[in-house]
Amino acid sequence: EAAVTQSPRSKVAVTGGKVTLSCHQTNNHDYMYWYRQDTGHGLRLIHYSYVADSTEKGDIPDGYKASRPSQENFSLILELASLSQTAVYFCASSPARGDYAEQFFGPGTRLTVL
Amino acid sequence: GDSVTQTEGPVTVSESESLIINCTYSATSIAYPNLFWYVRYPGEGLQLLLKVITAGQKGSSRGFEATYNKETTSFHLQKASVQESDSAVYYCALGDPSGSWQLIFGSGTQLTVMP
Repeated sequence: EAAVTQSPRSKVAVTGGKVTLSCHQTNNHDYMYWYRQDTGHGLRLIHYSYVADSTEKGDIPDGYKASRPSQENFSLILELASLSQTAVYFCASSPARGDYAEQFFGPGTRLTVL
Repeated sequence: GDSVTQTEGPVTVSESESLIINCTYSATSIAYPNLFWYVRYPGEGLQLLLKVITAGQKGSSRGFEATYNKETTSFHLQKASVQESDSAVYYCALGDPSGSWQLIFGSGTQLTVMP
C-alpha cells in the first residue's frame, strides 16, 4: 500500500489555466514537500509544510501556491500555468524527528503546459 | 551555499561490470548533514537506496555501498557487479536534520546496464 499518493499522475494544461496537484500521505508524518524536476536538474523544493493550515516557501516558490488543509493532504496550485512550469512534480513526506532527514516520495505527476 | 554535485549522465555499463557514481557535497550551513542515495526506476517515484547519517560510516543496500567521507566531502556510490535491473536514475542528496528537514539533490545520473 503506497504511503504517498499523487493525483493526477499526468496532466495537460493550457497556458493561463489553473492547475491543482494533490498529494495524500498515510505515514502520519508532520512534514510534506513539493518538488519539481526538470531534465538535467535535481529535484528543487517549491513549498513545504510542517503543520496543517501552514505552508512555507522553498527555493523556487514563484508561480506556485500550496495548501495543507489536513495532516494527510497537501496541494500545489498553479493559478496561471505557464510553459515554463512543464515538469515532473513530486510530493514527499517526512517524520522530521530523530537524527536523520529521510523523505518518502510519491510516484510523481507529469505536467505538460501547452 | 549547500549543494550536491554528482556524475553527469547518461552512464552505460555492461552487466557484471563494476560501477561508481561520484557525489560531492557542500554543507556550509548544515551542522550535521545526512547523506542519501535515492533511486528512481522507470515509471516510479524516488525510493531510498541507502543513507548514512554519521561521517566515516558506510551504508549498503542491494549490493550498493557508499561511504560518508567528511574530509573529501564525498559520498560516492559503488557496486562491484551491476545487473540489468539496476538501470535507473540515481540521486545523491544532502539532508539537514533540523529546521526545514530539507533534502538538497544532485542532478541525477541516468544509468543503463546493457545485457
